Amino acid sequence: SQQGEEDPQALSIQEGENATMNCSYKTSINNLQWYRQNSGRGLVHLILIRSNEREKHSGRLRVTLDTSKKSSSLLITASRAADTASYFCAIQGGSEKLVFGKGTKLTVNP
Amino acid sequence: DADVTQTPRNRITKTGKRIMLECSQTKGHDRMYWYRQDPGLGLQLIYYSFDVKDINKGEISDGYSVSRQAQAKFSLSLESAIPNQTALYFCATSDSAKRYNEQFFGPGTRLTVL
Repeated sequence: SQQGEEDPQALSIQEGENATMNCSYKTSINNLQWYRQNSGRGLVHLILIRSNEREKHSGRLRVTLDTSKKSSSLLITASRAADTASYFCAIQGGSEKLVFGKGTKLTVNP
Repeated sequence: DADVTQTPRNRITKTGKRIMLECSQTKGHDRMYWYRQDPGLGLQLIYYSFDVKDINKGEISDGYSVSRQAQAKFSLSLESAIPNQTALYFCATSDSAKRYNEQFFGPGTRLTVL
């Protein structure tokens, strides 16, 4: 399956701490994307990393990609209560479709 | 994303009923998608359309049908609803002119089949 698998399934941290979520996949990819979902709402695109990139930053977000290990990580630095959400990785391989993982549920405690 | 709207936002229906979920977008995107999300799970692709004349089945199309009435409108129908179709349904769009398939999601429709 091309589906990404996030790890951990759930993560609880204190405000100000960093949060790291991982995504592993099984096939070759064109790009990998991270999305955020607030409870019961639509997904919002956060960041995209291409298969020939190793690291990308956007504000407090840092994404890494290791194609040899078929894995990616999303780091949120200096977390805030408002970062509480579920985070999904999505794989784009040879087709135009995205395949989503099951997500990591992040809780940031004030 | 206010540019992608879904109606209704919530729907309760009974087993065997036919229902339609509607999606409209003002982003000018040519590609549209319907996904289903079950509690604690990721999104599963039901159908997708790359332009008005193009309709494709996704991973879980059985029991569903779609209609792309215009570039901006993509509706999902449940021909005869059953309880295990109770889920959160999302519409999404993307732009084929962009090199990478970043998708924009609607707010979702919460469907309950009794």
